[in-house]
Amino acid sequence: DQQVKQNSPSLSVQEGRISILNCDYTNSMFDYFLWYKKYPAEGPTFLISISSIKDKNEDGRFTVFLNKSAKHLSLHIVPSQPGDSAVYFCAASEGYGNKLVFGAGTILRVKS
Amino acid sequence: ETGVTQTPRHLVMGMTNKKSLKCEQHLGHNAMYWYKQSAKKPLELMFVYNFKEQTENNSVPSRFSPECPNSSHLFLHLHTLQPEDSALYLCASSQAGLARTYEQYFGPGTRLTVT
Repeated sequence: DQQVKQNSPSLSVQEGRISILNCDYTNSMFDYFLWYKKYPAEGPTFLISISSIKDKNEDGRFTVFLNKSAKHLSLHIVPSQPGDSAVYFCAASEGYGNKLVFGAGTILRVKS
Repeated sequence: ETGVTQTPRHLVMGMTNKKSLKCEQHLGHNAMYWYKQSAKKPLELMFVYNFKEQTENNSVPSRFSPECPNSSHLFLHLHTLQPEDSALYLCASSQAGLARTYEQYFGPGTRLTVT
């Protein structure tokens, strides 16, 4: 059973608008969450992370929100740019040890 | 070279062949990982090495044999693979997660096809 789920396989957004990518998890012991971006023929690239002691973390155009009670996190990209078109993966870990559990990914297409 | 490199980028092998995948990181990290990504599936963690010692084997079949001679290099030795082993194999590195989780940095992957 998947512990990290990204229920939207794809998302299409107009350039300049907000992109919201969602992720749900089932393991209440997860305490660290990460978002990765992947272009074709490249490995995933780390974007932003959040610890369970926070509910928001912001880095430039990227903001991650964590709702622990709902076991839900989201990545907001504002404003969206065509170069943001990629596959976005949500990942989570429990305690220490760097064992990341990944979601299946969401394909984001930003239209110019 | 910077970051995490992987060779070869593409590999086609028969089920009776023996081949090896190589990963090298230039980030000064002390933890390295092998992941498998099959089509439309999440990345699956295969092996974790911390300070050259294997600390995680995620129930991987013995036809996959990892080797970590030092903190900068990681190999995945392949033998008698099955067609369902065809996938993208990704290497990653990070600081060792002894007290907290650290973000992992990935290589470009090796696209493996088993015929």
